[in-house]
Amino acid sequence: GQQVMQIPQYQHVQEGEDFTTYCNSSTTLSNIQWYKQRPGGHPVFLIQLVKSGEVKKQKRLTFQFGEAKKNSSLHITATQTTDVGTYFCAGISNTGNQFYFGTGTSLTVIP
Amino acid sequence: GAVVSQHPSRVICKSGTSVKIECRSLDFQATTMFWYRQFPKQSLMLMATSNEGSKATYEQGVEKDKFLINHASLTLSTLTVTSAHPEDSSFYICSARDRVFGGYTFGSGTRLTVV
Repeated sequence: GQQVMQIPQYQHVQEGEDFTTYCNSSTTLSNIQWYKQRPGGHPVFLIQLVKSGEVKKQKRLTFQFGEAKKNSSLHITATQTTDVGTYFCAGISNTGNQFYFGTGTSLTVIP
Repeated sequence: GAVVSQHPSRVICKSGTSVKIECRSLDFQATTMFWYRQFPKQSLMLMATSNEGSKATYEQGVEKDKFLINHASLTLSTLTVTSAHPEDSSFYICSARDRVFGGYTFGSGTRLTVV
């Protein structure tokens, strides 16, 4: 079945350092979304990538969609304590409209 | 923006009883709603996809007779956990897809504790 893996599972960084999480799908995706979930909260939509090789930026966050549409990354420049949370990618397969969440990367930012 | 209301936010029930969770799209019509469960520190696992007016499609390993899903209208889907047991304790969350714009919005989740 559909599998979406993320690495790393956990990441601790000093405030001001950069952070990257990678998302890999076992199948080609029609698009991919990224979510942030604060502890105790629900996933909040960040962005959607649709095109092969697409790159989008939101302030300190940079999102990339791979050329083969099977992987994606989220990069945060100069992390802040407000970036703490778990970041999930969610891929929608070409065959259906369901989307499957990645395993998530839990980010801890040390002040 | 699009809002999905999910309630209850927390529920504690006795083993053997049933619990109904509602997911309602407030300002848009949702042709498709998704139900997920999330165990502590783990990812969201898709349980089922429901389309308005038709039977839900369940993911492999999810018991359809235990997790009853009803999507009777374009704005409401319900998940009923029947004969709940402690192992059903989890965080359940719904997501709705906007019929017009195609975007996805999550509800705020329901934390179910079965004692």
